[in-house]
Amino acid sequence: DQQVKQNSPSLSVQEGRISILNCDYTNSMFDYFLWYKKYPAEGPTFLISISSIKDKNEDGRFTVFLNKSAKHLSLHIVPSQPGDSAVYFCAASAGGGYSGGYQKVTFGTGTKLQVIP
Amino acid sequence: NAGVMQNPRHLVRRRGQEARLRCSPMKGHSHVYWYRQLPEEGLKFMVYLQKENIIDESGMPKERFSAEFPKEGPSILRIQQVVRGDSAAYFCASSTRLDATNEKLFFGSGTQLSVL
Repeated sequence: DQQVKQNSPSLSVQEGRISILNCDYTNSMFDYFLWYKKYPAEGPTFLISISSIKDKNEDGRFTVFLNKSAKHLSLHIVPSQPGDSAVYFCAASAGGGYSGGYQKVTFGTGTKLQVIP
Repeated sequence: NAGVMQNPRHLVRRRGQEARLRCSPMKGHSHVYWYRQLPEEGLKFMVYLQKENIIDESGMPKERFSAEFPKEGPSILRIQQVVRGDSAAYFCASSTRLDATNEKLFFGSGTQLSVL
C-alpha cells in the first residue's frame, strides 16, 4: 500500500525553466511533508518541508505547495540549474507532534529530475 | 561535525552468509532509523531505534533481520542467511527529536549490499 505516490519517475527540464515535481498521498492523518534530494551514491538530504497548517513554504529557488483537499503537494524549482539534477523524494509523517509521540516518515518512490544545460 | 556514518559502503555476501551493517548517528542524535531501497523503488522504512530500545520494527521482515542500538557503539542492522532478494541499498538516518513537530532526518551515504 503506497501511501505516498510520485507518479512521474522522471522529468527533464531546460536550464533556467521551472521544474515542477508532484506528489500525492492517501493517508489523511499525514500532517507534515518533506522533500529530500538524492544524488547517486549518496544518502538523501533534506530540502524543504511544510506543515499541514500551511499551503505554501518558500526557501530560495524552492517552493512547496500543499493542497490538503486534493491530498497533493508539489515542489517548484525556479530557475532550474544543472546541479539540481537528482532524484527527489516526497515524504510525509503523521501525528505525534503535539503529544511528543513518534512520527514515522513515509517516502514516495522518487522522481529523477534532469536539468539540461 | 561528522554526519551520519555508515560502513561498509559496499558489502558483498554469498547466499546463506550473514551481513552486518553499521551506523553511527550524528553527534548528539539518539534516534536511529533504517530504510531500505530496492532497485527502482523508493525508501522503505524498516526500523526505528533509540538507545537500547526498539521503538518500531513494523517495516522489518520477521525472519532473518534484526537491529540494535546499544548504549555504546553504533547501531547494527543484521541480516542472517542472506538471499538474493536482500540485495539493496540500506540507509541509516538519525535525528534529535527535540522538536517532534519538525522532524528532519539526516541520512548516511548508505551500504550497498550485493548477494551473490
